[in-house]
Amino acid sequence: GENVEQHPSTLSVQEGDSAVIKCTYSDSASNYFPWYKQELGKRPQLIIDIRSNVGEKKDQRIAVTLNKTAKHFSLHITETQPEDSAVYFCAAKEASSGYALNFGKGTSLLVTP
Amino acid sequence: IAGITQAPTSQILAAGRRMTLRCTQDMRHNAMYWYRQDLGLGLRLIHYSNTAGTTGKGEVPDGYSVSRANTDDFPLTLASAVPSQTSVYFCASSPLPRLRNTEAFFGQGTRLTVV
Repeated sequence: GENVEQHPSTLSVQEGDSAVIKCTYSDSASNYFPWYKQELGKRPQLIIDIRSNVGEKKDQRIAVTLNKTAKHFSLHITETQPEDSAVYFCAAKEASSGYALNFGKGTSLLVTP
Repeated sequence: IAGITQAPTSQILAAGRRMTLRCTQDMRHNAMYWYRQDLGLGLRLIHYSNTAGTTGKGEVPDGYSVSRANTDDFPLTLASAVPSQTSVYFCASSPLPRLRNTEAFFGQGTRLTVV
């Protein structure tokens, strides 16, 4: 199946700084790339997504970029706040598994005051 | 609006026992999925169903079975539980998986411990 690699596995930043999480995927047919945030003990929830015909998308302090040629996409969080602390997962939609989402292993983000 | 509901929320199970995790959604979504989440391994797909009456295998299907008799329900069965199946299980659903921008909505999870 699709291999989605996510880096880094842990990330610690000071409040107000930016955080960047990067993912790569292997299936060139993938066309949908969501990012999920999971707080401790909670379910994953979508924070932003991007389709393959778009290079960048922003939503307030969060942005995602996609480079289809290089098969990588990134999450950018600006002006980080302590409530941004969570585990973040990237994913890619995989046709070979019925268009299910294939997830990266996650990035644990800690924002310290 | 309930969305997607899993039961039970947690369970301790003796090895060798049979267990069914329940998942129900009221959003009339076509597709449903089961993932397991283990520390350091992220979310791994166990089985999926793109429409009632059809199912498919994901990345880690061994030891698990599913059925999709109707649109709303997608139970996951462990025929004979083993300790390596200790995990947090998430059910998810998606309206039209073949479309590009269709997110997956997750249930609250079931924490299963096999002893």
